[in-house]
Amino acid sequence: DTEVTQTPKHLVMGMTNKKSLKCEQHMGHRAMYWYKQKAKKPPELMFVYSYEKLSINESVPSRFSPECPNSSLLNLHLHALQPEDSALYLCASSQESFGTGLNTEAFFGQGTRLTVV
Amino acid sequence: RKEVEQDPGPFNVPEGATVAFNCTYSNSASQSFFWYRQDCRKEPKLLMSVYSSGNEDGRFTAQLNRASQYISLLIRDSKLSDSATYLCVVLKGGKAAGNKLTFGGGTRVLVKP
Repeated sequence: DTEVTQTPKHLVMGMTNKKSLKCEQHMGHRAMYWYKQKAKKPPELMFVYSYEKLSINESVPSRFSPECPNSSLLNLHLHALQPEDSALYLCASSQESFGTGLNTEAFFGQGTRLTVV
Repeated sequence: RKEVEQDPGPFNVPEGATVAFNCTYSNSASQSFFWYRQDCRKEPKLLMSVYSSGNEDGRFTAQLNRASQYISLLIRDSKLSDSATYLCVVLKGGKAAGNKLTFGGGTRVLVKP
């Protein structure tokens, strides 16, 4: 099973709303990722968690707040977003590389298509 | 300079033909390399990992050249269903790098009858 499940699939939110995106995997992967993808652009890394600890924050604005409550779950809390934050948000997971680079293929969820109005 | 660069294309390929394209990466400490394909409005799906010795999976062949810091993908006997954007992904892992997976800009391939 190489499944990463993201909910919801679509989300429309106002600029004053607070919402959360959820991601779940049961592959025993200890690295989990959030990416943002705009139309006709490649995915852009936002955050990486390794063993439930934040290992990379690519200078993402604080209106995006990640959380990794356990090894299977990854959340992205959204607050006071702007219309330019509308995008496809992708979650991915992989085994932790331990510096070897081995067995580190990442598997992606179907994404949450977010529209900020 | 971008960390991972690809020719955006599109590569217009007659059905049955062979197409090949490259991806260059700037960080010599990069450890692992992958090709993903992404269809319109879908998530990226792993096509294949790229190993130092080169590897083949059916009609797809991937090569890694560490000295020149590029990877390549060759598609033989192209099918209409191969039309997609092909994304090069580079991993810099380990505690210091924090498992940084970086995407290239993608190469668009259009296979035509």
